[in-house]
Amino acid sequence: SAVISQKPSRDICQRGTSLTIQCQVDSQVTMMFWYRQQPGQSLTLIATANQGSEATYESGFVIDKFPISRPNLTFSTLTVSNMSPEDSSIYLCSAKTENYEQYFGPGTRLTVT
Amino acid sequence: GENVEQHPSTLSVQEGDSAVIKCTYSDSASNYFPWYKQELGKGPQLIIDIRSNVGEKKDQRIAVTLNKTAKHFSLHITETQPEDSAVYFCAARFNGLTFGKGTHLIIQP
Repeated sequence: SAVISQKPSRDICQRGTSLTIQCQVDSQVTMMFWYRQQPGQSLTLIATANQGSEATYESGFVIDKFPISRPNLTFSTLTVSNMSPEDSSIYLCSAKTENYEQYFGPGTRLTVT
Repeated sequence: GENVEQHPSTLSVQEGDSAVIKCTYSDSASNYFPWYKQELGKGPQLIIDIRSNVGEKKDQRIAVTLNKTAKHFSLHITETQPEDSAVYFCAARFNGLTFGKGTHLIIQP
């Protein structure tokens, strides 16, 4: 298994600013991902964080808005840039282990005012 | 791409009864099917999974069945308890995970 921690757990930000969310996994994992979850809804994949190279983004998500880093096998960051109220959501870090299981962090609850 | 349908959206059962949540998927290449439990304010917790070479898997009160021909899989919870109340998500994966819309399970005391 893998235990995933995220910082911050929640934040309230002003429109036009940026927030960087950190994700730390307690063991080496093969892949790391970032998801978004609107309250009461399902999970949507933002991007796959690739170690040492550019992230792979899903349709509707772009690097300028959601820059992602993954400097090593156990750590990744997601930045939400130039925020607007529509970016208010829960952002979840996820990791896939060598035995194919996928785990999630506790999430970062973002409110943009 | 993959599409996952999940039913029902809300399920209310009496404590001690069984609960069944069903999902269908569209991509026959999907080979991994996890189930997650999400409690309010928390991240999704992996509770059980099944791979495409297995038809059924059980872990105490929880079981999952997979019918590859029909492309559907189900979560079964027996002897439900109040702490089973949560939102449950199914997912299917070939490359990346695609999630169902979730089932709000309510256990009535």
